[in-house]
Amino acid sequence: GQQLNQSPQSMFIQEGEDVSMNCTSSSIFNTWLWYKQEPGEGPVLLIALYKAGELTSNGRLTAQFGITRKDSFLNISASIPSDVGIYFCAGRLAGGTSYGKLTFGQGTILTVHP
Amino acid sequence: GAGVSQSPSNKVTEKGKDVELRCDPISGHTALYWYRQSLGQGLEFLIYFQGNSAPDKSGLPSDRFSAERTGGSVSTLTIQRTQQEDSAVYLCASSLGGAGTQYFGPGTRLLVL
Repeated sequence: GQQLNQSPQSMFIQEGEDVSMNCTSSSIFNTWLWYKQEPGEGPVLLIALYKAGELTSNGRLTAQFGITRKDSFLNISASIPSDVGIYFCAGRLAGGTSYGKLTFGQGTILTVHP
Repeated sequence: GAGVSQSPSNKVTEKGKDVELRCDPISGHTALYWYRQSLGQGLEFLIYFQGNSAPDKSGLPSDRFSAERTGGSVSTLTIQRTQQEDSAVYLCASSLGGAGTQYFGPGTRLLVL
């Protein structure tokens, strides 16, 4: 089935450092989403992107919808310990018959050392 | 409650038994989704409900899996004759419409022995 390739798989950083992760696909998406999941919880939406080239910020988080509509990145600036968790990209395929179906990346595990 | 709730939070069962997982969506949300998350993996789409009907059930892995939704609200995911490979976290999400933001519940952790 359709897959999103998310990288890196994991990151170990020092508090205060910036973080960058990205997702790529061989297919075109019309929506890109970034979620964060903490242990024992469901994913929580961080940022939603709806147009190619769109750059959106949410506090220290910035995400972009790639021009080709096949990729997206998420940046976290000045990381803090509570940024720890698993970050997932997700998207809706362009031309899909199911609005509801989201395709998820494999996740990036972020560890922040104080 | 304010968010999506799921029950049970944890379920341990023996291979071959049937299990039922329940999802209570956010009140007023017409769309409901089930996903499966295996250890260390991303979320895998199972089924999507709009109201009580399921326009997309393409992600159900086998005919042992079924789901229903009644009254446009609560949904039940049933797994018959469970297998060890069914062990995973089953997540439910709901949204105002098919293209709306999906809000996730905490999941049900299923372990098949």
